[in-house]
Parts: sequence; structure tokens; C-alpha cells
Amino acid sequence: GAVVSQHPSRVICKSGTSVKIECRSLDFQATTMFWYRQFPKKSLMLMATSNEGSKATYEQGVEKDKFLINHASLTLSTLTVTSAHPEDSSFYICSARVTLAGGYNEQFFGPGTRLTVL
Amino acid sequence: QKEVEQNSGPLSVPEGAIASLNCTYSDRGSQSFFWYRQYSGKSPELIMSIYSNGDKEDGRFTAQLNKASQYVSLLIRDSQPSDSATYLCAVRPPGGATNKLIFGTGTLLAVQP
Repeated sequence: GAVVSQHPSRVICKSGTSVKIECRSLDFQATTMFWYRQFPKKSLMLMATSNEGSKATYEQGVEKDKFLINHASLTLSTLTVTSAHPEDSSFYICSARVTLAGGYNEQFFGPGTRLTVL
Repeated sequence: QKEVEQNSGPLSVPEGAIASLNCTYSDRGSQSFFWYRQYSGKSPELIMSIYSNGDKEDGRFTAQLNKASQYVSLLIRDSQPSDSATYLCAVRPPGGATNKLIFGTGTLLAVQP
């Protein structure tokens, strides 16, 4: 269980265009999902926390108008990179929170989306 | 001081040896601790979670937690070349409604055949 998918796995776009990335929990409902970005050979950077039915919580320094997050259902969160520029090229990874018996929470990651902006 | 610290490595061990990966954290009230494995170019994969002091074993993996010392480790027995990856330590600090994790920068493990 606890499978998270992302689509697309790779995307190449022109500078100035917008790109939407989907994150789905396949076999469970996820009230909370997280969006990360990772540059080559660097650590994970949390961008925002996505909560179903409410506004996302962005980390300091992340532009909410540039990285639009929508979590409209219990199994889907989307990240839209608006007016993408070459510096937005990165590996974008989502994760979903699973609540286990006993109240413990674990996070499972999707396979990631590699974005290249030309 | 970083919230979650790991030695970046690389940690090189011969095949069949025990690999020992270490992590320290700064928030004493943290309650949940995780080890993720990340292969190059791939996303992190949860391999162990630990919530109470002591050892937790799962196959060739053993997680060890010492809350008094604010220290969590991962032992990999009978290391295989396929274990070569970056291992990320993650800690959930206390409080907050989002349950976000704080990740270390990861330790690169290289298992030599």
C-alpha cells in the first residue's frame, strides 16, 4: 500500500510557459501532501504543504504566485509552475502523509517529475 | 546548528560488511524518526521508521534511537552493492499541524564489490 504517483515523469517546456504536475495517492486518501524540489546533488527542499480543501502553506522564500498548489480532492494535489524560467529546472517530488494505526504518520514519496525549462 | 545533521560521506564499505549511518537532531522534543534511501536520479523511499528508544530491526536493516543523546542510526548488515545510495535521515519535530519532516542532507553509501 501507500503508493504515490506523479505525472508527468519528465517535461521540457519553453521559458515563459506554465507546467502542471499531478500527484496522486493511489490506494489511500491523503489529506496532506507535500511538494519538494531537489537540485542535482543537493538535499530535498520542502516547498509547501498541501492540505485538502484549504490553501497550501508555503515555506519561507517560496513564491506562492509562481508555484500554485491545488489539493481539490483526497487523492490529488497539483503543482503548477507558472511562467517557468530556466532556473526553475529541477526535480520536483511530492509526498503524501499516511496515518497508521496508533496515530503515527509516515510520508511516502512519488517518483518525481524532472522539469527542464529551455 | 542544523536541525538534522548527517555526515555527507561517501561512506565506503566492502560487500558483506556492516554499514553504519548516523544522524543527530537538535529538537529534543522530536518523536518520529525515519530513514529514506534515495538512488541517484530517483525519489526517496522509506525504509525504516522508529518512534521509541532502542533498536528496531527489519531484515538487514536496524534502526537505533537514543532520544537522550538526540541520535538515530541505521545499520545495514551484509551490505550489497545494490545498497549503494544516499540515505536520508528525517525527523518530525514536535507540534505543528502539518507534520512536515526535517531532512538531513544525506549520507552517500558506496558498497564495494
